[in-house]
Amino acid sequence: GQSLEQPSEVTAVEGAIVQINCTYQTSGFYGLSWYQQHDGGAPTFLSYNALDGLEETGRFSSFLSRSDSYGYLLLQELQMKDSASYFCAGLGDSSYKLIFGSGTRLLVRP
Amino acid sequence: GAGVSQSPSNKVTEKGKDVELRCDPISGHTALYWYRQRLGQGLEFLIYFQGNSAPDKSGLPSDRFSAERTGESVSTLTIQRTQQEDSAVYLCASSLNDRNPYEQYFGPGTRLTVT
Repeated sequence: GQSLEQPSEVTAVEGAIVQINCTYQTSGFYGLSWYQQHDGGAPTFLSYNALDGLEETGRFSSFLSRSDSYGYLLLQELQMKDSASYFCAGLGDSSYKLIFGSGTRLLVRP
Repeated sequence: GAGVSQSPSNKVTEKGKDVELRCDPISGHTALYWYRQRLGQGLEFLIYFQGNSAPDKSGLPSDRFSAERTGESVSTLTIQRTQQEDSAVYLCASSLNDRNPYEQYFGPGTRLTVT
């Protein structure tokens, strides 16, 4: 089976940097994705790591360490609009099925 | 269309009734996924289509749930004899093909309330 663990809530200040961690357990592993979901909205794809290392997309970066079964999403220069839920999602057991973590609710304060 | 669309956006039904939820994926996307999301929770995988076939139905919670896809486009998720625990947001997503499942494009969802 597969499971992904994330903190339930994170609070940070506008302009700061925040890191959202994700640890996973899986019998097979094909990569880690990150999605953003605003309240009442649809999940939106942010990034994907198939290999170890850092992927950067503007203010957002995602990191993966397969040896540690661990990844994180890094958000820089936080803006109020970044307040949302963030989900890590793993491809494991099969190469086509995404299994989602329970999500981390990020609150950005002024 | 430009994105994934779903209808209806909201559905209120009485316990025991059947409901049909519709998903129109992005044109050209051959892979289609259905998820269920309960309030404040993550996404629960229900079923996956590649083209018109469903290689994995393992996430369907019970035999009251079924889904089909025709013409490699529109998909419908049917819930028979709805129960209160079926109340959730049902999300549909598509990806270019099943070799790119990590990047899925989601529709706005159907909020189902069973009274």
